[in-house]
Amino acid sequence: LAKTTQPISMDSYEGQEVNITCSHNNIATNDYITWYQQFPSQGPRFIIQGYKTKVTNEVASLFIPADRKSSTLSLPRVSLSDTAVYYCLVGDLSYNTDKLIFGTGTRLQVFP
Amino acid sequence: EAGVTQFPSHSVIEKGQTVTLRCDPISGHDNLYWYRRVMGKEIKFLLHFVKESKQDESGMPNNRFLAERTGGTYSTLKVQPAELEDSGVYFCASSQDRDYEQYFGPGTRLTVT
Repeated sequence: LAKTTQPISMDSYEGQEVNITCSHNNIATNDYITWYQQFPSQGPRFIIQGYKTKVTNEVASLFIPADRKSSTLSLPRVSLSDTAVYYCLVGDLSYNTDKLIFGTGTRLQVFP
Repeated sequence: EAGVTQFPSHSVIEKGQTVTLRCDPISGHDNLYWYRRVMGKEIKFLLHFVKESKQDESGMPNNRFLAERTGGTYSTLKVQPAELEDSGVYFCASSQDRDYEQYFGPGTRLTVT
């Protein structure tokens, strides 16, 4: 499975848009890009998944350029409750396993 | 609908003792996964059940770890005997279909002293 690289941490203020970029230079043709969010003392929670271009749901948007070697998770107008660790994962659903491979994640701190 | 639950939330045991962790997946989810995060490290996959069968146990660290899922419902993860390096947070997740949207429980924090 493709390895991912993300910033260790980011700071933001309430009401701002936050963009977290993930690099996955070795992404394979069949790989999907998935983002998870984790609050302290909780398990990770699925946010969004995409293959190419742009995906948007009620929580976030995911931007994937044509070469798919990176992706950007966009959180619109963050609030204090968005303070969490965000993980970018890349994997192939066509293989006989769908285990998640977590990296170090990006620790987002939102300030008032 | 209830989410994934795990019991206990925290367990403190001495080195050499046995501990059994339990996971109740979301009802109807055939896929059940175990992950763990040891101190300062990333969350790592342990194994994957499809119903009662072990689909992938490539992440199990050694034979001191035994996972079961009798009847394809809840699962247990037994560590026997526990070692200091087993300390960490053990997460369970479940999913209905094979995909990357897995629902995680709150985790069991295991401390081995």
